[in-house]
Amino acid sequence: AQKVTQAQTEISVVEKEDVTLDCVYETRDTTYYLFWYKQPPSGELVFLIRRNSFDEQNEISGRYSWNFQKSTSSFNFTITASQVVDSAVYFCALSEGIMKTSYDKVIFGPGTSLSVIP
Amino acid sequence: GAGVSQSPRYKVAKRGQDVALRCDPISGHVSLFWYQQALGQGPEFLTYFQNEAQLDKSGLPSDRFFAERPEGSVSTLKIQRTQQEDSAVYLCASSLAGGGATDTQYFGPGTRLTVL
Repeated sequence: AQKVTQAQTEISVVEKEDVTLDCVYETRDTTYYLFWYKQPPSGELVFLIRRNSFDEQNEISGRYSWNFQKSTSSFNFTITASQVVDSAVYFCALSEGIMKTSYDKVIFGPGTSLSVIP
Repeated sequence: GAGVSQSPRYKVAKRGQDVALRCDPISGHVSLFWYQQALGQGPEFLTYFQNEAQLDKSGLPSDRFFAERPEGSVSTLKIQRTQQEDSAVYLCASSLAGGGATDTQYFGPGTRLTVL
């Protein structure tokens, strides 16, 4: 069965510190997608990244970077020089992709609540 | 509008009442998803529509939950005889295609349902 684990329930950092959010997933499929979403206090889920299981290259987008390691089934998310606006709940998610179905059936992890203190 | 909208944003129901939650997806989006998010948890898949066809309802918790999208745009999630365990935020998402290398699900702000 598919499963996403985010062991860190809550993290607090001081502004400008770097922070890494951990994500470990389980799947029997060879083709799948991994995602990160941000949920600010307003409640709306904001898409951050989608990664294909065949693409293990790390990705950087501004202060955000993602480390995908298939060998350890991990897809960790690092925020560099954190800011107060980064305070939110972050969800890692997994989808079987469209090999089995014609749509993304997304399984979300429990989330990590990040607080950035000024 | 530019994004996914949901109404009402907040709903309080007495146990046993029926409720209807509405989702307006992004115009032109073929796929529509409903999720249930309990307090402190990640969203959980409820059901999926491709246009007006409900292709997957495996996540609906009981036969009290019913969803429809009759014209392939607006969708309604109906919960009959609400129970306290139905209290949650109900999220709607739409996507252009439903899946694929570049497709993205865009989420609405959710409806927070409280059953007393």
